[in-house]
Amino acid sequence: GAGVSQSPSNKVTEKGKDVELRCDPISGHTALYWYRQSLGQGLEFLIYFQGNSAPDKSGLPSDRFSAERTGGSVSTLTIQRTQQEDSAVYLCASSLLFSGNTIYFGEGSWLTVV
Amino acid sequence: DQQVKQNSPSLSVQEGRISILNCDYTNSMFDYFLWYKKYPAEGPTFLISISSIKDKNEDGRFTVFLNKSAKHLSLHIVPSQPGDSAVYFCAATSGSARQLTFGSGTQLTVLP
Repeated sequence: GAGVSQSPSNKVTEKGKDVELRCDPISGHTALYWYRQSLGQGLEFLIYFQGNSAPDKSGLPSDRFSAERTGGSVSTLTIQRTQQEDSAVYLCASSLLFSGNTIYFGEGSWLTVV
Repeated sequence: DQQVKQNSPSLSVQEGRISILNCDYTNSMFDYFLWYKKYPAEGPTFLISISSIKDKNEDGRFTVFLNKSAKHLSLHIVPSQPGDSAVYFCAATSGSARQLTFGSGTQLTVLP
């Protein structure tokens, strides 16, 4: 596809279960970002991948959160033992290199933990 | 501690009038500022940006103003159109950073 693709678009899960969110970036984009937006909050940075460099994980809120990027393309964000405060929209974005105006966002994955 | 703040969660403006969206920041290391626009069920899209070496950047109906001494920036939309109705996010970054720091957004409604 032409844009950043995320799946699932909506996920309802029970507290304590693990979830995986997938991001398929724009082909050829070397940089990939995960953000999340909780209700009434701004977009919160989670993690950044750039090429083969070690990812910047400084935004991950706890060790229940992890992400990987296989083959420099698709990324999976995993949340273990989900909590209600994990409920948010998880947004993936990609870019050719870091430059704010060329970051392209996906439509997001709505996660609801009940 | 929010480093980028948008204190107005919502704004309503009549079609044809000017919309002014405000943003304040606390981190003096920020040197590049951006505005993103977000429609429901879509990801944010880039609108306009400004470097800290400038105090104004204009692109069609959109103008961003930066007041470094006040750590304040604003987005002006004139004339406002109903299609401009969306959530507007202010974002900032510093030269060495890789991530954008976003504000909480302002819902703009342009009334026909």
